[in-house]
Amino acid sequence: GENVEQHPSTLSVQEGDSAVIKCTYSDSASNYFPWYKQELGKGPQLIIDIRSNVGEKKDQRIAVTLNKTAKHFSLHITETQPEDSAVYFCAASPGFQKLVFGTGTRLLVSP
Amino acid sequence: KAGVTQTPRYLIKTRGQQVTLSCSPISGHRSVSWYQQTPGQGLQFLFEYFSETQRNKGNFPGRFSGRQFSNSRSEMNVSTLELGDSALYLCASSLGHRVVGEQYFGPGTRLTVT
Repeated sequence: GENVEQHPSTLSVQEGDSAVIKCTYSDSASNYFPWYKQELGKGPQLIIDIRSNVGEKKDQRIAVTLNKTAKHFSLHITETQPEDSAVYFCAASPGFQKLVFGTGTRLLVSP
Repeated sequence: KAGVTQTPRYLIKTRGQQVTLSCSPISGHRSVSWYQQTPGQGLQFLFEYFSETQRNKGNFPGRFSGRQFSNSRSEMNVSTLELGDSALYLCASSLGHRVVGEQYFGPGTRLTVT
């Protein structure tokens, strides 16, 4: 079955810096890759997603890139702010509505 | 639009008991998926329901079951609770097309088994 690896597990940056989180997946049939942000005491919030027929997608300060050949996808956050501090999860979908999640990255943005 | 709602938000049960959790999806969404979140295993897929039918299932024992009603609301049940079932149970709703789409999560139900 699908397996998703996520790195790093923790990431500390200064406000205004960029942050990059990387994931790899194993199942070449996976075709949908969402990213979620989870704050303490809340459910995961969808922040951006990408499909396998697209290489890059941007939404303001957030961008996701996908390399299908290498089975890598990454989340890029520019001009980080303290409110970006949270746990970020990548996921891959091998079919229907099933998501296989990475292990999460705790992002800390210091003022 | 109202988001995904889950009830109850917190639950404490004793080993051996059973529990039922409820999820109301976003209006118009016909698919409900359930996930278990623990510090050790992370987010793991339990099952997905669409139009009252289980369409997909994860690798959990038969003690974990679910159902979906005609209004798309879903319940999951865990029988004979074990200490290891303590977790945050999340449901996610989506339109449910055959092509996977955006899934929106509820706040979760925190289950503690003592």
